[in-house]
Amino acid sequence: DGGITQSPKYLFRKEGQNVTLSCEQNLNHDAMYWYRQDPGQGLRLIYYSQIVNDFQKGDIAEGYSVSREKKESFPLTVTSAQKNPTAFYLCASTPSGGDQPQHFGDGTRLSIL
Amino acid sequence: AQSVTQPDIHITVSEGASLELRCNYSYGATPYLFWYVQSPGQGLQLLLKYFSGDTLVQGIKGFEAEFKRSQSSFNLRKPSVHWSDAAEYFCAVGPYNFNKFYFGSGTKLNVKP
Repeated sequence: DGGITQSPKYLFRKEGQNVTLSCEQNLNHDAMYWYRQDPGQGLRLIYYSQIVNDFQKGDIAEGYSVSREKKESFPLTVTSAQKNPTAFYLCASTPSGGDQPQHFGDGTRLSIL
Repeated sequence: AQSVTQPDIHITVSEGASLELRCNYSYGATPYLFWYVQSPGQGLQLLLKYFSGDTLVQGIKGFEAEFKRSQSSFNLRKPSVHWSDAAEYFCAVGPYNFNKFYFGSGTKLNVKP
């Protein structure tokens, strides 16, 4: 079955450490997204990418970085510059064309040790 | 500016009762509208979508939503709620400006036995 796989499901970060969250899709979707979810705040866009080797900052990109070297992969790195990284992170994808809903992975919960 | 407002943070209904979750949007173009459901620790699942045509759309799990352009609303309804409907519900609008989507802050639904 096609879908989006996020790993790991739970991740712990030490102070000063960078961590990378994986997002892989086999839906052949062009666009991919990273959202951060905090209680009561809905989904906030971190980064998104419409095609390989291209990505744009979302509303809360500071302290995060991404790459899009392959169509199916869009990893998110939470850097030590992100001072409050504890949150639930969701990856999503959508076909190009502009009239399709997003498909979501099952998320990664990041916590600080 | 694009935005989505879900005025109710928490709603509690009795099992078997009807349900309406409110969603208002602000959007600079013809909106594509979505409702998603999220169980704890999971990703978002699409319930239904509105692109054009009939303003009453049917979705999965017995949900429906009505698009009212004059009120900038897209409220979600279900005639009879089941205990398994307890979850968080998100309204979204998009895509806009290079495939960006905008989400409301969510409504948590509790179902009383």
